Amino acid sequence: AQSVSQHNHHVILSEAASLELGCNYSYGGTVNLFWYVQYPGQHLQLLLKYFSGDPLVKGIKGFEAEFIKSKFSFNLRKPSVQWSDTAEYFCAVGGSQGNLIFGKGTKLSVKP
Amino acid sequence: DAGITQSPRHKVTETGTPVTLRCHQTENHRYMYWYRQDPGHGLRLIHYSYGVKDTDKGEVSDGYSVSRSKTEDFLLTLESATSSQTSVYFCAISDRASYNSPLHFGNGTRLTVT
Repeated sequence: AQSVSQHNHHVILSEAASLELGCNYSYGGTVNLFWYVQYPGQHLQLLLKYFSGDPLVKGIKGFEAEFIKSKFSFNLRKPSVQWSDTAEYFCAVGGSQGNLIFGKGTKLSVKP
Repeated sequence: DAGITQSPRHKVTETGTPVTLRCHQTENHRYMYWYRQDPGHGLRLIHYSYGVKDTDKGEVSDGYSVSRSKTEDFLLTLESATSSQTSVYFCAISDRASYNSPLHFGNGTRLTVT
């Protein structure tokens, strides 16, 4: 069964620091990968997705992610975080039922 | 934002009572999903539907049933609520124009079972 691992449970950064959140998936075949963000008290929103093509994917709000097939990784990055990026971030892989399989999430706290 | 409405937004109920959560969409999407979100577990799929009257189980379906009599409505029923079902429940929809299309989520229902 496919699975997703997010290694960092809680990341604390100061504003303007660079961000990288790790995500590894288990399936070795063709994968569709996603990053979602959940701001406090809100629902999940799509940040970016990878289906095929350029392994460097750019999303909304200045986020990007790089698909590295050899490492089964899809890490999320942002060069300079803002206080408004405080949220929980979920990596997900497309499942065989058309659903998404989510990692356990990484909470990001950005100190002003 | 996709037109997804979950009701109720908050509910407190007692152990052993039945509870029904409703997800209503205005997007005419074929696929609908129920997830639960728990600290340390992320989101886990309970049930999903791929059309009217067509549903299937997800990863954590025990103690839950669903029904979809119309395209726009997907109901989740806890047959006899237990404290372990205290959670935040999210409905999601997808048009599956392409395989593994992104899901669009509702605002969630926070359920507390006492």
